[in-house]
Amino acid sequence: DTGVSQDPRHKITKRGQNVTFRCDPISEHNRLYWYRQTLGQGPEFLTYFQNEAQLEKSRLLSDRFSAERPKGSFSTLEIQRTEQGDSAMYLCASSPPGQRNTIYFGEGSWLTVV
Amino acid sequence: AQSVTQPDIHITVSEGASLELRCNYSYGATPYLFWYVQSPGQGLQLLLKYFSGDTLVQGIKGFEAEFKRSQSSFNLRKPSVHWSDAAEYFCAVGTDTGTASKLTFGTGTRLQVTL
Repeated sequence: DTGVSQDPRHKITKRGQNVTFRCDPISEHNRLYWYRQTLGQGPEFLTYFQNEAQLEKSRLLSDRFSAERPKGSFSTLEIQRTEQGDSAMYLCASSPPGQRNTIYFGEGSWLTVV
Repeated sequence: AQSVTQPDIHITVSEGASLELRCNYSYGATPYLFWYVQSPGQGLQLLLKYFSGDTLVQGIKGFEAEFKRSQSSFNLRKPSVHWSDAAEYFCAVGTDTGTASKLTFGTGTRLQVTL
């Protein structure tokens, strides 16, 4: 099995610009998660999908953030009007049917807002 | 609300020495507990997990962890550390929402291994 794939791995953007991250989960995994990790901290839950349905969003996910999983396969996380506080690593994860507590993470997408 | 405490921010051990990383959790129900490892600039790799049953769980890379309900702890151990074990280690508790599990992580323990 290939693992969870994220793209791009690194992104530097100017404040106010929009950025989009893509996540390809492990094949056949129906649940997909987004987490955010800032320096010196553990990851924090942002949102998750079961198939194409977004079932929960954290209060950390402001209205500048939007996530989609249109066909129940890959997902995108878009951040509009980026702020310096958005600088973090955005981690995608997935879990297989029947094993919702076994979660596999990708290598993350680093965002630096300058 | 659930929470995880990793009291040691940084630990240094000599190669070949034993290791124990501490983790305490707060959660009202039966916890799902995890240990992940993260190398610099990389994602998280699952080391081991506890859901139920035997309180001593074995993981990859020679790691094990023991669930102690009375102490609300899930400490990670390894009998002999290798230089390649140097990384950040995260303990997490899983909240089962009924359709998925959300993980709440501790702030991590950075392990340094001296030769």
